Amino acid sequence: DAGVTQSPTHLIKTRGQQVTLRCSPKSGHDTVSWYQQALGQGPQFIFQYYEEEERQRGNFPDRFSGHQFPNYSSELNVNALLLGDSALYLCASSLGRQNTEAFFGQGTRLTVV
Amino acid sequence: AQSVTQLDSQVPVFEEAPVELRCNYSSSVSVYLFWYVQYPNQGLQLLLKYLSGSTLVKGINGFEAEFNKSQTSFHLRKPSVHISDTAEYFCAVSVPYSSASKIIFGSGTRLSIRP
Repeated sequence: DAGVTQSPTHLIKTRGQQVTLRCSPKSGHDTVSWYQQALGQGPQFIFQYYEEEERQRGNFPDRFSGHQFPNYSSELNVNALLLGDSALYLCASSLGRQNTEAFFGQGTRLTVV
Repeated sequence: AQSVTQLDSQVPVFEEAPVELRCNYSSSVSVYLFWYVQYPNQGLQLLLKYLSGSTLVKGINGFEAEFNKSQTSFHLRKPSVHISDTAEYFCAVSVPYSSASKIIFGSGTRLSIRP
């Protein structure tokens, strides 16, 4: 049983560019959440998708957007990249909207230069 | 709103010694409590969780944690650590039965094991 898979694993982008990160949830899970983990810090909640809709959003600007597909996979898009967007982006999947247990992917390391 | 405070940013211990990683949380409602471990260049792995019931929770790799409601704490313990326990540990909370269920993390404690 594959766990949560994220792609790509590493990415280097230039300031002002746009990036798309992808996540496939654990088999049987229908909820996907995205987190940003800056170096030396704990993960910060970006948003959560359930039933193809954004259900809750953290304190992130509109440059951060997402999508969930009918097969429950998800994308995170970041526009107009800033140097401060450099971080590890983590995807977590769970069943329903009750986070009694969330499974995390290995993350995508984004570097903005 | 909820918040999590991990009182130690780094904890150095000798191999086979006991360790305690401290975590306090703030919330006006009941919460679920979690400890996650992050090995270098990897994602997060759930060590253990407290949802309800017994306040002493046992997890993987010999770790356990005790929920103390009066002190709003959820400290993580292991009686004897191994070199392989070297990692970053995150305490976290989420609110049950909310409209969404984001996880709120502490800033992490780096556990370094000395031979």
